[in-house]
Amino acid sequence: QKEVEQNSGPLSVPEGAIASLNCTYSDRGSQSFFWYRQYSGKSPELIMSIYSNGDKEDGRFTAQLNKASQYVSLLIRDSQPSDSATYLCAVRDNNAGNMLTFGGGTRLMVKP
Amino acid sequence: DTEVTQTPKHLVMGMTNKKSLKCEQHMGHRAMYWYKQKAKKPPELMFVYSYEKLSINESVPSRFSPECPNSSLLNLHLHALQPEDSALYLCASRITGGRGPDGYTFGSGTRLTVV
Repeated sequence: QKEVEQNSGPLSVPEGAIASLNCTYSDRGSQSFFWYRQYSGKSPELIMSIYSNGDKEDGRFTAQLNKASQYVSLLIRDSQPSDSATYLCAVRDNNAGNMLTFGGGTRLMVKP
Repeated sequence: DTEVTQTPKHLVMGMTNKKSLKCEQHMGHRAMYWYKQKAKKPPELMFVYSYEKLSINESVPSRFSPECPNSSLLNLHLHALQPEDSALYLCASRITGGRGPDGYTFGSGTRLTVV
């Protein structure tokens, strides 16, 4: 059973701070990793994808991957109240219809 | 067109009703997915279609019946549902082959309530 684990939160950070969201996965053979943002009552929105060890930056977002530790994280710099949402970590199984397995999500609250 | 369109956005149905959810994309994606999401839970995979053929059925009860009439359209036919089937039903699509542009594109979902 492939598992993706996240702390459910809520993670509360003040406006302007760095929010750090973490995710671990059980399948060492996983190759593709994604972060989705989901506002309450809305569908998930892809914000970052990462495939190689190291950091990948896109605007205020940085994804970090460490395959040896089976760990992927998302940093949000200069957090804004509009960043308040649930962040879903997802891992893709290249051998099973490329299906995504989601973690339980971390709820982020950015306080003004 | 970079969207996945789902209709209807909201659906209330009785346990004896038959209804269908529709999903459409015109991005040329050849993999399409149905996910079910309960409140405060992550999406759970139901079905995977690859090149219009059902490739994965995650042991979904037969009261849910998927259909992929063509490469742009995915339906989910509903019959004799139970109240516990009330959830947000998400359709997603993905380009096949290689790694990118990658990630799934999700539709806005259908909020289903079974009464």
